[in-house]
Amino acid sequence: KNEVEQSPQNLTAQEGEFITINCSYSVGISALHWLQQHPGGGIVSLFMLSSGKKKHGRLIATINIQEKHSSLHITASHPRDSAVYICAVSPTPYSGAGSYQLTFGKGTKLSVIP
Amino acid sequence: EADIYQTPRYLVIGTGKKITLECSQTMGHDKMYWYQQDPGMELHLIHYSYGVNSTEKGDLSSESTVSRIRTEHFPLTLESARPSHTSQYLCASSSGSTYGYTFGSGTRLTVV
Repeated sequence: KNEVEQSPQNLTAQEGEFITINCSYSVGISALHWLQQHPGGGIVSLFMLSSGKKKHGRLIATINIQEKHSSLHITASHPRDSAVYICAVSPTPYSGAGSYQLTFGKGTKLSVIP
Repeated sequence: EADIYQTPRYLVIGTGKKITLECSQTMGHDKMYWYQQDPGMELHLIHYSYGVNSTEKGDLSSESTVSRIRTEHFPLTLESARPSHTSQYLCASSSGSTYGYTFGSGTRLTVV
């Protein structure tokens, strides 16, 4: 079982729809990251959070540490939001040599249709 | 502007050639990483470094090697490229587990 599970794997939405992508993890973490990867391949870091909620423009990320769950919301979706959204976690600090590495989910491919 | 740079962006090369993928960052991050990603698949860590003269292999076995002689530079080398090395290679850096990561634009390598 993967330590980081994302759902859905694929998502198609009409422009303007409210979108939610979910991420569940099974390990202790110091932070959770939401990343965006466009078809060109480069990755952009959207959020890093360890508690609560963060907002940037039309994007909102929340995390529930007790339930080991995070969600990424996109309000008023637009075709330019089409990308793969990746959830990744940083393990709990002081857990050894690998403690600075990220563990990645498989990603959610989002397509927003005009 | 602080950033991380990867070159080349795309590379098509013949089997048996030696190649070096460049990665440089201007943020002074001590931790740097190389990830390999096949199309439609998740990223896998192949090398990481926590500082100058420190390099370790990641979870995914790779025939590539890395060096970290300067804080800002973390090149990846394939001594003899093979078609099985065809993939996207992404470089990243961070200053700690509770700080953000910065990713490069990636190098898409095709070995023919």
